[in-house]
Amino acid sequence: GENVEQHPSTLSVQEGDSAVIKCTYSDSASNYFPWYKQELGKGPQLIIDIRSNVGEKKDQRIAVTLNKTAKHFSLHITETQPEDSAVYFCAATSSNYGGSQGNLIFGKGTKLSVKP
Amino acid sequence: SAVISQKPSRDICQRGTSLTIQCQVDSQVTMMFWYRQQPGQSLTLIATANQGSEATYESGFVIDKFPISRPNLTFSTLTVSNMSPEDSSIYLCSVEDRGLVYGYTFGSGTRLTVV
Repeated sequence: GENVEQHPSTLSVQEGDSAVIKCTYSDSASNYFPWYKQELGKGPQLIIDIRSNVGEKKDQRIAVTLNKTAKHFSLHITETQPEDSAVYFCAATSSNYGGSQGNLIFGKGTKLSVKP
Repeated sequence: SAVISQKPSRDICQRGTSLTIQCQVDSQVTMMFWYRQQPGQSLTLIATANQGSEATYESGFVIDKFPISRPNLTFSTLTVSNMSPEDSSIYLCSVEDRGLVYGYTFGSGTRLTVV
């Protein structure tokens, strides 16, 4: 089955700096890779996702890159702000939009702290 | 995207008792999932809730301990049975959202403490 590794487990940056979180996956059939932000006491919230037919996706200060050959994908947050402080999870699945379904396999999470 | 209402948001229970957690979605969804998140840990899938049939459990989780109901396409329940302190976790409902924006949406979770 799928296995997702996530690094680093903790990350501390100064406000305004960039933060990068990396994940690797094992199942070459995986084709959907979301990133979630979880604040204390709340459920995970989807912040960005990418499909295997795309190499990069950007949404304002957040971007995700995917390298299918190497089986790794990364989250990039630019111009970090204190409100970006949270736990971030990567995930992977072989779910096919409009077809059969799969469940998400999560990485272990990265606790991001942005210091003002 | 789909909106999930999960109840209760938190509870403190005595060991040996059972707690039923409810998950209500504002739209019909095919796939519903139940996850467990132990303190400071990642999310682990308990089971996939199938409408009209028995849930599909992951390795390490059994129906007698975590019975699941899925009476229709918008509602599911997870029961944590015969609880022990080791069951203290956050339990999360999730759905595969195939609406205008595809993705997996999570409820706000149920924080369970067993004493």
